[in-house]
Amino acid sequence: GENVEQHPSTLSVQEGDSAVIKCTYSDSASNYFPWYKQELGKRPQLIIDIRSNVGEKKDQRIAVTLNKTAKHFSLHITETQPEDSAVYFCAASRGGGNQFYFGTGTSLTVIP
Amino acid sequence: NAGVTQTPKFRILKIGQSMTLQCTQDMNHNYMYWYRQDPGMGLKLIYYSVGAGITDKGEVPNGYNVSRSTTEDFPLRLELAAPSQTSVYFCASYKGAGDQPQHFGDGTRLSIL
Repeated sequence: GENVEQHPSTLSVQEGDSAVIKCTYSDSASNYFPWYKQELGKRPQLIIDIRSNVGEKKDQRIAVTLNKTAKHFSLHITETQPEDSAVYFCAASRGGGNQFYFGTGTSLTVIP
Repeated sequence: NAGVTQTPKFRILKIGQSMTLQCTQDMNHNYMYWYRQDPGMGLKLIYYSVGAGITDKGEVPNGYNVSRSTTEDFPLRLELAAPSQTSVYFCASYKGAGDQPQHFGDGTRLSIL
């Protein structure tokens, strides 16, 4: 089955700096990669996703890049703000497949 | 649309008691999932269903049971609660076609004492 690894497990940045979280996957058939943000005590919420026919996607301060050859994808947050502090999870799935495979999460702290 | 609704939000059980965690979705999604999340940890898949009448085990199914009699509902049953089942339980649904994300409920915080 699919194996998704996520690094780092914790990340602290100064407000205004950029944050990068990286995930690798093992199944070359995976073709859909969502990222979730989970605030303390809340549910995971989708913040951005990318499909395998796209190399990069941006949404304001958030971007995701995908390297299919190397089987890794990354979340980039620019101009970080305190409200970006949360746990971020990456995931991988086959489009239309049964399961989503999650990374172990990255706890991001933005220091004011 | 309410999305994915879980009840109850909080519950305390005694060891050996039973309970059912309810999950319902109004998006007509075929696929539904139950995850548990222990403090500071990631999501572990307990059971999932690809449609009414069909269920499959995930990574950590022991101590749990599920049923899927309708598209909307996917209850999770704990038969003999154990302290190791203290966790936050999330239900999620997914359309099941194309590249679409899962939608999560707000979770049920369960403590077994």
